[in-house]
Amino acid sequence: QLQLQESGPGLVKPSETLSLTCTVSGGSISSSSYYWGWIRQPPGKGLEWIGSIYHSGSTYYNPSLKSRVTISVDTSKNQFSLKLRSVNAADMAVYYCARSYCSSSCSAVGYFHHWGQGTLVTVSS
Amino acid sequence: QLVLTQSPSASASLGASVKLTCTLSSGHSTYAIAWHQQQPEKGPRFLMKVNSDGSHSKGDGIPDRFSGSSSGAERYLTISSLQSEDEADYYCQTWGAGTVVFGGGTKLTVL
Repeated sequence: QLQLQESGPGLVKPSETLSLTCTVSGGSISSSSYYWGWIRQPPGKGLEWIGSIYHSGSTYYNPSLKSRVTISVDTSKNQFSLKLRSVNAADMAVYYCARSYCSSSCSAVGYFHHWGQGTLVTVSS
Repeated sequence: QLVLTQSPSASASLGASVKLTCTLSSGHSTYAIAWHQQQPEKGPRFLMKVNSDGSHSKGDGIPDRFSGSSSGAERYLTISSLQSEDEADYYCQTWGAGTVVFGGGTKLTVL
């Protein structure tokens, strides 16, 4: 069955770039009808969508983070990645990768139906 | 602007039923939503998608005790025969043109 696993540094210094990768197993990242997304959750707070990518490379980003975020996909490795630039203390969170079902037209990201276990990223010098 | 509103907390007794509400912002009453459960110290788990007509489709392995429904701009998650493991945060999520929105979450306490 489908599994998503986040990986990357658990500690990032302020003003530097947070980089995470999500490895997909049990399914192809090139499948139609799915977007691949990043969501984060600061300690004790709710879920915040960061952005999503289709296997073609088409992306959607949260407007509040768009200026600092890049999501990319590597279909040969069945992975997609997140880069968040110029991090600060407010970016400390558990970061989740997830797959969303966008139906046959994929005109929108759709709903998340498979989640990774999440990885905690701390921002500190 | 697409916004989802949830009550911060809810409580119900073991074995009872509870109905959680997620309200779509004005002008978005036809949107479908998804419900996700997050048990303490765990990641979210997809429960179901709920359409504006009240039909719903559940994720794999979700018990029959969980059901969804709709009325106008409100989307509901009903949990019957509450068990201790149902104590969790419940988030609704929707999507539109180029955007995804989560509600603030409802913390369910099982008494």
